[in-house]
Amino acid sequence: QKEVEQNSGPLSVPEGAIASLNCTYSDRGSQSFFWYRQYSGKSPELIMFIYSNGDKEDGRFTAQLNKASQYVSLLIRDSQPSDSATYLCAVKRAPPEGYSTLTFGKGTMLLVSP
Amino acid sequence: DAGITQSPRYKITETGRQVTLMCHQTWSHSYMFWYRQDLGHGLRLIYYSAAADITDKGEVPDGYVVSRSKTENFPLTLESATRSQTSVYFCASRAGLEQFFGPGTRLTVL
Repeated sequence: QKEVEQNSGPLSVPEGAIASLNCTYSDRGSQSFFWYRQYSGKSPELIMFIYSNGDKEDGRFTAQLNKASQYVSLLIRDSQPSDSATYLCAVKRAPPEGYSTLTFGKGTMLLVSP
Repeated sequence: DAGITQSPRYKITETGRQVTLMCHQTWSHSYMFWYRQDLGHGLRLIYYSAAADITDKGEVPDGYVVSRSKTENFPLTLESATRSQTSVYFCASRAGLEQFFGPGTRLTVL
């Protein structure tokens, strides 16, 4: 069974700090990895995706992928109270444009205190 | 307005009743998905569709039926609702790598 594991949290960080969110996956065939943000009572929205080993940066967000360790992380620099949300990790098995589905982790709640 | 919409946004029903949740997207995306989200389980895929008249089961399809006669619509039917189907249901469509989620339907089965 394909599994995506995340610490449920909450992860509490002060404003301005770096928040580090982690995700592990069991399916070695996973090739694309996604981070979604979900505010309370709202629908998930894509923050970024990564499919190559290493780091990918987009503004204050950095996704890190290590396929050998089956580990993907999301770093949020200069955390803001508006970053307080649940962060969902998702993985996709087929090639990026393939006919396949996402498997989601249960999410990590992030709380950023002013 | 362009986007993905769901109706109703809130629904209360009784055990044994049939319920249909509607999903409509204006982008003409080929792929559409239905998820349910429950505390302790996260987002779980119920059914998905690659195009009109092509649907397939996801992780938790039992008790649900879908159809897709038109690209823009992807209704989800609970044929005989059970209390375990109380949940928040999200519809999504996909363009390239990104899935776009609708606002969700909160369903309560009494």
